[in-house]
Amino acid sequence: EADIYQTPRYLVIGTGKKITLECSQTMGHDKMYWYQQDPGMELHLIHYSYGVNSTEKGDLSSESTVSRIRTEHFPLTLESARPSHTSQYLCASSARLNGEETQYFGPGTRLLVL
Amino acid sequence: KNQVEQSPQSLIILEGKNCTLQCNYTVSPFSNLRWYKQDTGRGPVSLTIMTFSENTKSNGRYTATLDADTKQSSLHITASQLSDSASYICVVSARAGNMLTFGGGTRLMVKP
Repeated sequence: EADIYQTPRYLVIGTGKKITLECSQTMGHDKMYWYQQDPGMELHLIHYSYGVNSTEKGDLSSESTVSRIRTEHFPLTLESARPSHTSQYLCASSARLNGEETQYFGPGTRLLVL
Repeated sequence: KNQVEQSPQSLIILEGKNCTLQCNYTVSPFSNLRWYKQDTGRGPVSLTIMTFSENTKSNGRYTATLDADTKQSSLHITASQLSDSASYICVVSARAGNMLTFGGGTRLMVKP
């Protein structure tokens, strides 16, 4: 079982609100990722970080922002939530295991914007 | 463009039966291929990881195969259980940057 945590697990919020999805891992991994996944669809990378003070945008354009001030913490923020942001957000971290990079996923945050 | 295609999109089988899920990819240069199991509302959990030189790998009742020449992989589930009901996602890693390309998944439902 991977030690990667996400809070909240579920969030229902009104349009225009600012929200922060928390992600933390206790494995000391340098690399962390945020994915967005609509129901029944594939995961899309929206942000990643290779270490403290490093953040990059992923393949899928997102209005969210991230920060990486500490190794174990990689929060994602939406300044003004909209219904189009309704989705599941998955956080992951990775490390090299037996020569291959292996990602460990958190349980996800299901976001519903009304 | 790197792509991963999975089939079937969904599958219903009876408990105790076997099934095989397919994954075709066009990711290049290839680094490795993973099969993940994702329960509803949860994050994916790794089942197997296969590199270029590996043809088959087992993890309990799960057996993955890889044909790097045809760029195909399969996941075979033996003696299915109700707890196998989940989405199974094929994920391919390209050598450069270790970025992952995710398949759309196969939704498996095992019925009693």
